[in-house]
Amino acid sequence: KNEVEQSPQNLTAQEGEFITINCSYSVGISALHWLQQHPGGGIVSLFMLSSGKKKHGRLIATINIQEKHSSLHITASHPRDSAVYICAAPLVPGSARQLTFGSGTQLTVLP
Amino acid sequence: DTAVSQTPKYLVTQMGNDKSIKCEQNLGHDTMYWYKQDSKKFLKIMFSYNNKELIINETVPNRFSPKSPDKAHLNLHINSLELGDSAVYFCASSLGMGTGELFFGEGSRLTVL
Repeated sequence: KNEVEQSPQNLTAQEGEFITINCSYSVGISALHWLQQHPGGGIVSLFMLSSGKKKHGRLIATINIQEKHSSLHITASHPRDSAVYICAAPLVPGSARQLTFGSGTQLTVLP
Repeated sequence: DTAVSQTPKYLVTQMGNDKSIKCEQNLGHDTMYWYKQDSKKFLKIMFSYNNKELIINETVPNRFSPKSPDKAHLNLHINSLELGDSAVYFCASSLGMGTGELFFGEGSRLTVL
């Protein structure tokens, strides 16, 4: 049983739509990672956040430590945003290096 | 310059063979990792290593062994390959003991026949 849960598993949107991907985890953590895996397979780190909100271009990540929940938002989505988005958290007590990954959200943005 | 590079990108081999995947990072990071991504695209940590400590995921068979000749390299050696070892293996690095952003290699797709 994975203790990092993502939703939705699959998401199809029209270009320009506002996208939200959710991630919940089971224990208190020091920081949460959002990653993007391109169709070609490469993985890029988007955000690492421990509280509040971070913004990079059209991407916004928020985290609520008390609720054990994080969201990734994409504003004005574009077909090039089509990818798998993965959240990851260090769930092993005392080990920030051992990340547990969500199962990913496959996002498809149609032109 | 590629920040985290892995070789080979593709590896096809027979069951029972021994193989290695190499990883190098030129970011000056002190922590390196190996992750396995299975056919369902699920990522799992295999090892994390810095110059002081190796942390092994207890679910990883002991046929898998990380070898680090220096801080910039963390190679993955696999003995007696099995069909279930077929996957994409990602190397990554970060600054600090898991407190820094992760930088990933491009992945090495291993196919065991």
